[in-house]
Amino acid sequence: QVVLVQSGPEVKKPGSSLRVSCKASEYIFTSYYIHWVRQAPGQGLQWMGLINPGDGRATSAQRLQGRVSMTRDTPTTTFYMELSSLTSDDTAVYFCAASFSLYTAFDIWGQGTMLVVSS
Amino acid sequence: DIQMTQSPSTLSASEGDTVTITCRASQNIRVWLAWYQQRPGKAPKLLIQKASSLEGGVPSRFSGSGSGTEFTLTISSLQPDDVATYYCQHYNHPYTFGPGTKVELK
Repeated sequence: QVVLVQSGPEVKKPGSSLRVSCKASEYIFTSYYIHWVRQAPGQGLQWMGLINPGDGRATSAQRLQGRVSMTRDTPTTTFYMELSSLTSDDTAVYFCAASFSLYTAFDIWGQGTMLVVSS
Repeated sequence: DIQMTQSPSTLSASEGDTVTITCRASQNIRVWLAWYQQRPGKAPKLLIQKASSLEGGVPSRFSGSGSGTEFTLTISSLQPDDVATYYCQHYNHPYTFGPGTKVELK
């Protein structure tokens, strides 16, 4: 079955870091690009970055460079997104999504992980 | 970066109506445009890519058209199940989404 399953909701304090996991089926893990997309409450979708299935190389959105890290763990077929120096502006639902190539749309989505940043 | 805009931001129509959503790109993106449907509290769902290619399992009342800088998503015979927010996306780096169009039933 072709699915992405994300970790559960998080509450974090300002200045701390977040790590979200996205477990993929083996087929997705080896064949698909994994993107991270976030959505602040009542707002639209914002692309955060992607990880290449071939070499594991990550590319992040310019506005998040230096704060976001995307990695993968082969034995567990799990992808990770870490976001540091959290502020209230990072309160959002974080999605992982998959595309078969860099030039195809996101046809598989995780269920989303809610993050609340609050002191 | 390429900017994406959508109009209208909110649309209210009756069941059975035909509705059209417009998406505009700030530069020529050829046909590299996707449409997603997002119901409240759910992840987005891909409806259409390459401007007009319907994904498997998506009802045929959904259709997409356009190329270059102007694109449309049409829902013919609007159903209650279609109440959602619709996003366009240019799926090339940096994968910019439009701001969304909320579709409501009268």
